[in-house]
Amino acid sequence: ETGVTQSPTHLIKTRGQQVTLRCSSQSGHNTVSWYQQALGQGPQFIFQYYREEENGRGNFPPRFSGLQFPNYSSELNVNALELDDSALYLCASSLQTDTYEQYFGPGTRLTVT
Amino acid sequence: KQEVTQIPAALSVPEGENLVLNCSFTDSAIYNLQWFRQDPGKGLTSLLLIQSSQREQTSGRLNASLDKSSGRSTLYIAASQPGDSATYLCAVRYMEYGNKLVFGAGTILRVKS
Repeated sequence: ETGVTQSPTHLIKTRGQQVTLRCSSQSGHNTVSWYQQALGQGPQFIFQYYREEENGRGNFPPRFSGLQFPNYSSELNVNALELDDSALYLCASSLQTDTYEQYFGPGTRLTVT
Repeated sequence: KQEVTQIPAALSVPEGENLVLNCSFTDSAIYNLQWFRQDPGKGLTSLLLIQSSQREQTSGRLNASLDKSSGRSTLYIAASQPGDSATYLCAVRYMEYGNKLVFGAGTILRVKS
C-alpha cells in the first residue's frame, strides 16, 4: 500500500509569484485535505476535496485554490505569494467513513523571499 | 471558535520516565480526537485515534484517554526513550466543522539519554 506523497519537497519563490504543490493520496482514499503549518504552530486547515469537488474551506483567501483529479491526486495553487505564505504545506488523505482518519504526507516546505 | 490547547509547550525528561501530555478542547460535540507525532521539518505520523464513544486507545507504550465531559485528552508514554523525542500534536474533529481537523500547537518532547 502506497502512502501519501507530496512534491516538491522544498520550494523557494519570490513575493508575487504563483506556486503549485502536488499530492498523491493513499491508495483507495477519495478525500484529500490541505493544511498550512507555520513554524512553531499547529497545522491550519486550508480546504478539502471529495470526488473532485471542494468540500469545506478554512479561513484562507481565494488566492489559495485547489484541484482534485479523477485518480484522487490533488494540487494546491497559491497566487500572488506573500512572505507570510512561507510554511510547511501538508496534504492528508482519508476515506469518507465514520472514522475519517487522516493520513498525512511528508509536506512541502515553501519559502517566499 | 472551537480551539485546541496543549500543555506543556515543551518537556524535557530523562530516559525511562513515564510522562503525560495534555490536550484540552472547547466543545464536547466531537467525532473523534487524533494524536500525531511530528519529527523536525517532517510530516505527521498518526499515533492513536479515539472515537467520541471511546474512553481510551492503546498502542505499544502509548495510551491515549478521552474525557468529553471535561474536554480533555491525555497521551501517556511509558518508559520514554530518546527516539520518542519529537513534537506531539493533538487534533480534534469537531461536529460543527465537519471533516476538518483542529490542531493544538503541540508539545515538544525531548528525552535525554
